[in-house]
Formats: sequence, structure tokens, C-alpha cells
Amino acid sequence: DGGITQSPKYLFRKEGQNVTLSCEQNLNHDAMYWYRQDPGQGLRLIYYSQIVNDFQKGDIAEGYSVSREKKESFPLTVTSAQKNPTAFYLCASSSLKMGASPLHFGNGTRLTVT
Amino acid sequence: LAKTTQPISMDSYEGQEVNITCSHNNIATNDYITWYQQFPSQGPRFIIQGYKTKVTNEVASLFIPADRKSSTLSLPRVSLSDTAVYYCLVGVQSLTGANNLFFGTGTRLTVIP
Repeated sequence: DGGITQSPKYLFRKEGQNVTLSCEQNLNHDAMYWYRQDPGQGLRLIYYSQIVNDFQKGDIAEGYSVSREKKESFPLTVTSAQKNPTAFYLCASSSLKMGASPLHFGNGTRLTVT
Repeated sequence: LAKTTQPISMDSYEGQEVNITCSHNNIATNDYITWYQQFPSQGPRFIIQGYKTKVTNEVASLFIPADRKSSTLSLPRVSLSDTAVYYCLVGVQSLTGANNLFFGTGTRLTVIP
């Protein structure tokens, strides 16, 4: 059954610690994305990648880092430099073709930093 | 960047048809219009996508006027399980690397028994 897996579902960290969120897809999609969602808000793009070993900053990349060593995996690290890291993080993927390809989302990781 | 404007919330009774309109005045020629549904603590789920005129699938219809500056998602005979946030997304992934997919704050639909 194809899809996107995000783990863990809930994550708790102390302030000042880096934390890495996992995202794996078996849809054979070229593009992968990380979004952040705050309560009552829409989704804001953090980073995206359209090919292995390449990625671009989205609207709110400061305090985050990513890697794309494999097509299936796009982990997100929330660093201690991120001022307000507590949020719901969503990973998505899509194929790339002329026109548009819908985004497929995982079920998110809720990060709480205290 | 094609930004969107949607009503913040809507209420509807069970069994009624619901129409949610999205404004996107600066839509670009290559942009597609895509709607997603999101339940609490879950990722958004694709509902329907269109470029112009009307598109229909098993769960919804999408109406796009000729000028493409707005679009309307139509949900026939809603049930309680349709209570969710609905997002209108306008844009297209570019094969050259640009990404202009922008999510607004969505419309919170509440279906009342």
C-alpha cells in the first residue's frame, strides 16, 4: 500500500536540543516537501526537494535543515536556532510532470518543545 | 505568487449541498486549482483538481469560470463526516525548480445534524 510515513506521531524535546523528523515515501515521487502548521493556521512551506541531493528553501526555512540522500527519504531537522519550534509538521510528496500533480501528505508529527 | 481568499468558516445542515468559493485574482496561465480536505491531526487529503470549466469526481465538483479568477468547490449532500477544513491551492510545480504552491488558511466547514 503506497503512501507517506512520518514518524514519530508525537515528539517532545527540551529547548536547545536539535530534533530530526522522519519522512519516507514509497510512491516513487520525485518531489518532497515539508510544511509547518500552527493552530488555526494554514500550511507554510519550510523546504522542498525535486531531486536527490538538491533542495530549496521555502517561506520559513530559518532554523531548519533537510537532506535528500535517497529518493524515498526527506528528513527534517529542527535546530535550536528555531525560535518557536512547537508545531504540527507535515511532509508531502508529488510526482513531477508538466501541469500539476496533487500533493500526497503524511499524517504529521506534532512537536512540543519545552 | 497566486494567493487565495476563502471564507473562514461555514455551517451547513446534513444532506444539503455546500458550495465553497475561493478567489484567486492573480492566477497565472499555467496554474492549476486544487482542493484539499483536512481533518484534525491529519495531513490534508486531495479532493479535486481543475484548470478550467467544470470537473466532477465521485466526491465533489469544481466549477471554474472563464476568467479563472475564482473557483467553487461543491459538495453534494454533506454528512457529519464532511466536517473539516477545506483548502484551495493555486499553483503548479515547475520542472525548472520553482515552487509556487501556496496554502491559505482554509475554510472550516461544520455540518450540523
